[in-house]
Amino acid sequence: DIVMTQSPDSLAVSLGERATINCKSSQSVLYSSNNKNYLAWYQQKPGQPPKLLIYWASTRESGVPDRFSGSGSGTDFTLTISSLQAEDVAVYYCQQYYSTPPKCSFGQGTKLEIK
Amino acid sequence: QVQLVQSGAEVKKPGASVKVSCKASGYTFTSYGISWVRQAPGQGLEWMGWISAYNGNTNYAQKLQGRVTMTTDTSTSTAYMELRSLRSDDTAVYYCARGQWELLYFDYWGQGTLVTVSS
Repeated sequence: DIVMTQSPDSLAVSLGERATINCKSSQSVLYSSNNKNYLAWYQQKPGQPPKLLIYWASTRESGVPDRFSGSGSGTDFTLTISSLQAEDVAVYYCQQYYSTPPKCSFGQGTKLEIK
Repeated sequence: QVQLVQSGAEVKKPGASVKVSCKASGYTFTSYGISWVRQAPGQGLEWMGWISAYNGNTNYAQKLQGRVTMTTDTSTSTAYMELRSLRSDDTAVYYCARGQWELLYFDYWGQGTLVTVSS
């Protein structure tokens, strides 16, 4: 099974500053036949279900602010929030969905707070 | 608009079973799959398994094989997750989530169902 490891576990960033969360997979999630990375990012606020932010490693979900961006390929990925807003305080999860039959796994989560 | 509405909270004793429902609306149910994801108190997300609403194919997480069954009723656009032989460490919020065909990134989630296992 593919193990997802995020870093750091928690992060405190000042309002308006950049926040960067890293995610590493135990094996590549890049599918060579279509050149797509099977990697998504979610945001979860207390008492709410997760919200999809990014899929295919860098495709922003409709309605997600453009201060959120995803990058990386193969085994190493990054979620960047370019200018932190108060409403971005949440736990962020990466997820790989590179498997047949369909299965997925999540990173352990990164808690983002305001400094 | 797309909605996934789950059944209400449950309290069960160890060894019992629970069946959680997830009623979909606002889209063609059979064009998507449904996964179940759980979250123990204060913990991260754990994928439990997937079912195709198109043909009923399933794939379950290895650690739950033999204890979990996922089904769908296409006549009511409802997915079900049954978990048997409940233990205290099954206490969690259980979410259903929609993924396109066999792609397991989830664009819509249910509101969650708290299942508490306690003697």
